[in-house]
Amino acid sequence: EPEVTQTPSHQVTQMGQEVILRCVPISNHLYFYWYRQILGQKVEFLVSFYNNEISEKSEIFDDQFSVERPDGSNFTLKIRSTKLEDSAMYFCASSGGWSGTANEQFFGPGTRLTVL
Amino acid sequence: QKEVEQNSGPLSVPEGAIASLNCTYSDRVSQSFFWYRQYSGKSPELIMSIYSNGDKEDGRFTAQLNKASQYVSLLIRDSQPSDSATYLCAVLPLNNQGGKLIFGQGTELSVKP
Repeated sequence: EPEVTQTPSHQVTQMGQEVILRCVPISNHLYFYWYRQILGQKVEFLVSFYNNEISEKSEIFDDQFSVERPDGSNFTLKIRSTKLEDSAMYFCASSGGWSGTANEQFFGPGTRLTVL
Repeated sequence: QKEVEQNSGPLSVPEGAIASLNCTYSDRVSQSFFWYRQYSGKSPELIMSIYSNGDKEDGRFTAQLNKASQYVSLLIRDSQPSDSATYLCAVLPLNNQGGKLIFGQGTELSVKP
């Protein structure tokens, strides 16, 4: 069964460093998302991406964050200068569309980011 | 601010019983509703989606939607210890061109053998 994959599973970094989280969405999906979940809190939307453009972003997704689809399979989230409060699980998701059952979003296993 | 509310639990049921999980949402025009299961330390796993008022059944799971009351629920029949997890309700508002899911805080379910 097709699935979303993410690497690395765990990333430890020093405050102020740049990190890139990688995702491979389900192959025939066209809509990609990043969410994060701080320990013990809700899953929060960060950004959605379609047709090589950001479709929507939350207020969390400030200038320190960027997303890219560098090739036909990968989707990345970059955090330019990490802060302690960026420590969280980051989930990538993908869907086939935005309407009807195509808008079901399937999540990857997540990357646990720890900022020291 | 669009909100999705769930009782955080924990909800404890004996094995074989029916577990009932509830969710309310604030955006009256929301159109798409999802239930995800999240085991501790893992990612959300889609269980059910529901779009129309009424019931939708899939195996031991039944999702119920009442748009007039802005209420969606998930019933798990014949609960098993392996169903012990946090269940997340998620809502996709109408006119959402960005696919932004709004999640509740989740209800922790514990199924006792």
